[in-house]
Amino acid sequence: QQQVKQSPQSLIVQKGGISIINCAYENTAFDYFPWYQQFPGKGPALLIAIRPDVSEKKEGRFTISFNKSAKQFSLHIMDSQPGDSATYFCAARRGGGNKLTFGTGTQLKVEL
Amino acid sequence: NAGVMQNPRHLVRRRGQEARLRCSPMKGHSHVYWYRQLPEEGLKFMVYLQKENIIDESGMPKERFSAEFPKEGPSILRIQQVVRGDSAAYFCASSPPNRDIGTQYFGPGTRLLVL
Repeated sequence: QQQVKQSPQSLIVQKGGISIINCAYENTAFDYFPWYQQFPGKGPALLIAIRPDVSEKKEGRFTISFNKSAKQFSLHIMDSQPGDSATYFCAARRGGGNKLTFGTGTQLKVEL
Repeated sequence: NAGVMQNPRHLVRRRGQEARLRCSPMKGHSHVYWYRQLPEEGLKFMVYLQKENIIDESGMPKERFSAEFPKEGPSILRIQQVVRGDSAAYFCASSPPNRDIGTQYFGPGTRLLVL
């Protein structure tokens, strides 16, 4: 019940296109959903996060869409750039808890 | 404003040796978390600590692994009698007190290789 499922495992997008990464969860006690970006050899960096009381949050080219009834959330990267090529992880935290449960990651490659 | 610092960045140990991984949280942060990342996998929670207290160690293997966050100094993740299966990247994260503690900031990680 702690699992967070992430798809796709890998994604290739053309420069300027939209990258979409999806996550689904089972535990309705989750109340905080961050996305992290990780470059090879580096630690994950917080990108954007959302709580279930809103359906969408946008920061620059990055948007999280949240569907509470479906228990799904997704990351959209608009105008994708080669510099966005990285591994993206969704995560979830249970209300009142502290640990993050991570998805398995999506390797994004943005081609010229 | 330094971020989360971890050292060493790379560590090589032979089977049976001990590995000590250090983490200094961001300035002003009093919550520390350790995660392990196996190749091609996501991060798995290991332990959550505050100063001098282990709050949640539900992800820690029962044997050979221990963690501490003393009143002074960095947090230490200690692995005794390492085995090849311990080879992984170990990440430390920190979060501030009295705020949204879901916001965790990660260090660059320690990559442990057990020969």
